[in-house]
Amino acid sequence: DQQVKQNSPSLSVQEGRISILNCDYTNSMFDYFLWYKKYPAEGPTFLISISSIKDKNEDGRFTVFLNKSAKHLSLHIVPSQPGDSAVYFCAASASNAGNMLTFGGGTRLMVKP
Amino acid sequence: KAGVTQTPRYLIKTRGQQVTLSCSPISGHRSVSWYQQTPGQGLQFLFEYFSETQRNKGNFPGRFSGRQFSNSRSEMNVSTLELGDSALYLCASSPLLGKYNEQFFGPGTRLTVL
Repeated sequence: DQQVKQNSPSLSVQEGRISILNCDYTNSMFDYFLWYKKYPAEGPTFLISISSIKDKNEDGRFTVFLNKSAKHLSLHIVPSQPGDSAVYFCAASASNAGNMLTFGGGTRLMVKP
Repeated sequence: KAGVTQTPRYLIKTRGQQVTLSCSPISGHRSVSWYQQTPGQGLQFLFEYFSETQRNKGNFPGRFSGRQFSNSRSEMNVSTLELGDSALYLCASSPLLGKYNEQFFGPGTRLTVL
């Protein structure tokens, strides 16, 4: 069973607008969530994270929101830039599982100039 | 600081052979994890090593194994290769074991099994 799901395989946004990427999880033991960005033929690059004691974390153009009751998190990118075009992965970890990350299936973001 | 390095970057093998992949973590990082990425299954956790000990293992058959050396470098081995083992194998390093640690990924090794 998929414990972390990204239900939108792709998202297209105009440059300058907001991109919202969503992620749902089922495992109540997850207490740390991360977003990674991946270009073809490269490894994932860490973007931003949030622990379960917070509901929001910001870093420049990137903001992650966590709704624990809904087991849902989202990544907002404002403003979106063409260089943001990539596959974005949501990942989750549980404090009793070391550094093991459980990944969602990814969302391909295309930002049009 | 140099990032995570993986060698080789590309590899072609035939069914039944075995393969060893190598990962050098970021200097000072003691935790190394391995992941497999395939189009069908996405990114899946293989195993994690910390201080030369396997700390966690994913749901993969025993043909997949790994080890970590005293300098934190890690290798993973796949024996009796199957066509389904064709994938991008990613290594990630982290300074510590446990809570709230970012993991930094290498570029991966693309394994093709013919």
